Amino acid sequence: DAGVIQSPRHEVTEMGQEVTLRCKPISGHDYLFWYRQTMMRGLELLIYFNNNVPIDDSGMPEDRFSAKMPNASFSTLKIQPSEPRDSAVYFCASSFGRRGVPVHETDTQYFGPGTRLTVL
Amino acid sequence: GESVGLHLPTLSVQEGDNSIINCAYSNSASDYFIWYKQESGKGPQFIIDIRSNMDKRQGQRVTVLLNKTVKHLSLQIAATQPGDSAVYFCAERPGGYNKLIFGAGTRLAVHP
Repeated sequence: DAGVIQSPRHEVTEMGQEVTLRCKPISGHDYLFWYRQTMMRGLELLIYFNNNVPIDDSGMPEDRFSAKMPNASFSTLKIQPSEPRDSAVYFCASSFGRRGVPVHETDTQYFGPGTRLTVL
Repeated sequence: GESVGLHLPTLSVQEGDNSIINCAYSNSASDYFIWYKQESGKGPQFIIDIRSNMDKRQGQRVTVLLNKTVKHLSLQIAATQPGDSAVYFCAERPGGYNKLIFGAGTRLAVHP
């Protein structure tokens, strides 16, 4: 398996522009997570999906951020308009939901290589 | 609030020695714990996990110990190698939630 795939790997944009980050989870995984990593705040969960449905978006910083998962093999994280403080590395992760246990249980999360976003 | 903290931000060891990375967690309801390794420019890589009904789990050269009494987690790396140099994160999953809460990370530097 190719693992979690993210694109682009690097993105440099100017303040006010729209940014779209993409993620392809591991085939068969039914949970998908978006994280942001900065030196100041570490690794933060932004939002996660189960079976393409957003479950918890309480980590999304503000309305400028939105995420979608139109199908089981693709998700996007969009920032519009972007601001310099959005500069960070954004990671996507995916996992199986555990069978035979309560639906809220999940297994190990596997991370993609990340997208380094720089907003000038 | 809920948090996972690390005692040591940087750990330097000699190649061949054993390394111990420590982590304190605050949520007594957490039922699942994971250690990740992150190399420069890469995403966190799964190392080993442990569930709250266990106190020890071993992998290849790594052992995770869980002490629920004092809410402490540790990662032991045997015969540390230069390739082990990275930042190591512990993460906890509060029971009933799918979220992972990550610690700040510990940088492991392995010297020849």
